[in-house]
Amino acid sequence: GQQLNQSPQSMFIQEGEDVSMNCTSSSIFNTWLWYKQDPGEGPVLLIALYKAGELTSNGRLTAQFGITRKDSFLNISASIPSDVGIYFCAGLTGANSKLTFGKGITLSVRP
Amino acid sequence: ETGVTQTPRHLVMGMTNKKSLKCEQHLGHNAMYWYKQSAKKPLELMFVYSLEERVENNSVPSRFSPECPNSSHLFLHLHTLQPEDSALYLCASSQGRARSPLHFGNGTRLTVT
Repeated sequence: GQQLNQSPQSMFIQEGEDVSMNCTSSSIFNTWLWYKQDPGEGPVLLIALYKAGELTSNGRLTAQFGITRKDSFLNISASIPSDVGIYFCAGLTGANSKLTFGKGITLSVRP
Repeated sequence: ETGVTQTPRHLVMGMTNKKSLKCEQHLGHNAMYWYKQSAKKPLELMFVYSLEERVENNSVPSRFSPECPNSSHLFLHLHTLQPEDSALYLCASSQGRARSPLHFGNGTRLTVT
């Protein structure tokens, strides 16, 4: 079945730094989603991407739908302590397909 | 209340117990989902209900039994669980299923002793 690859498993950055996370697959997806999960809470949708090449921003977050439809990236600019959490990518291959999730990247921000 | 609410937040149960997890969504969505989240693994889809009809059962053991009495409520009935069933169980909802992002609850942290 489809797999979404997120690596590394953990990232450690300094407050104020920018960080970029990739999500890759050998399969084509036609929707990409990025979620963040804070400790003790459920995942919250950050950005949804529906078109190849699409670049969408949400505050300090920017995500892009890769032109090959096999990848997406999420950028966080000027990180702050509350950016700590697990960032998941997820993708849909078709209209009624199952949402496939990556394993997530745990982000730590040092003050 | 808004969003997706799950109760209880934490549950400890023995292998012979019977318990139920509850989920309620206040978003007017018509599809609801149960996911299992284990450490270092992708979210695993367990069940999908669309318009109160179960449309997907992802080879989940029969010791997990879902119930969807209406489009706002979803239950997961548990009985004779195993220690490896310990995980965070997440409920989600969406408006339809086609390309519609999921909105998650905060989960029930289940520990089976």
